[in-house]
Amino acid sequence: NAGVTQTPKFQVLKTGQSMTLQCAQDMNHEYMSWYRQDPGMGLRLIHYSVGAGITDQGEVPNGYNVSRSTTEDFPLRLLSAAPSQTSVYFCASSYSGRPPGANVLTFGAGSRLTVL
Amino acid sequence: DAKTTQPPSMDCAEGRAANLPCNHSTISGNEYVYWYRQIHSQGPQYIIHGLKNNETNEMASLIITEDRKSSTLILPHATLRDTAVYYCIVRGGSNYKLTFGKGTLLTVNP
Repeated sequence: NAGVTQTPKFQVLKTGQSMTLQCAQDMNHEYMSWYRQDPGMGLRLIHYSVGAGITDQGEVPNGYNVSRSTTEDFPLRLLSAAPSQTSVYFCASSYSGRPPGANVLTFGAGSRLTVL
Repeated sequence: DAKTTQPPSMDCAEGRAANLPCNHSTISGNEYVYWYRQIHSQGPQYIIHGLKNNETNEMASLIITEDRKSSTLILPHATLRDTAVYYCIVRGGSNYKLTFGKGTLLTVNP
């Protein structure tokens, strides 16, 4: 049971490049989400999904795309990276709509992205 | 979505109890209070949750006021390893936009 796996752990991009941050979970969780964390800003929700084929925007969705074709995977795509997207990105997952003790979020270890 | 308010930072002496407050005055009846913590740059980890009764587990205790507008996370005997950012969030029903805010940086001093 690996939990939530994020890849890559570190990435350096040039402005305008595209890339995908991968997130996979093996817990059969319905809910998956992406957060970014900047110094002094706490965790901010980018996008989330409540099941395969269903996604929605969070607080800071601009510049990011997501899709959810399977229960296990929730990739985050940067189509044209900008320096403002330099951040640490966390993926989280949980059950949804079950007893509250089952709705606990499990976070990945994070992906540190630098855009030059 | 209910929002939470936490103090930006707190200090605590090692071995003493750490009491971290959280205000959630707009919480609705079906929303639970969850606490997480983030040690250094790791992913946040779950600590405890509750609805209206006080809760205790091996890590901490959670005290929720009778009107449910605020709560306190208690670490009964803080250690240096408890130095972290602590987040209080509310979640329930169809609330999927889970916002964490900036949390409280707890520093445990020797």
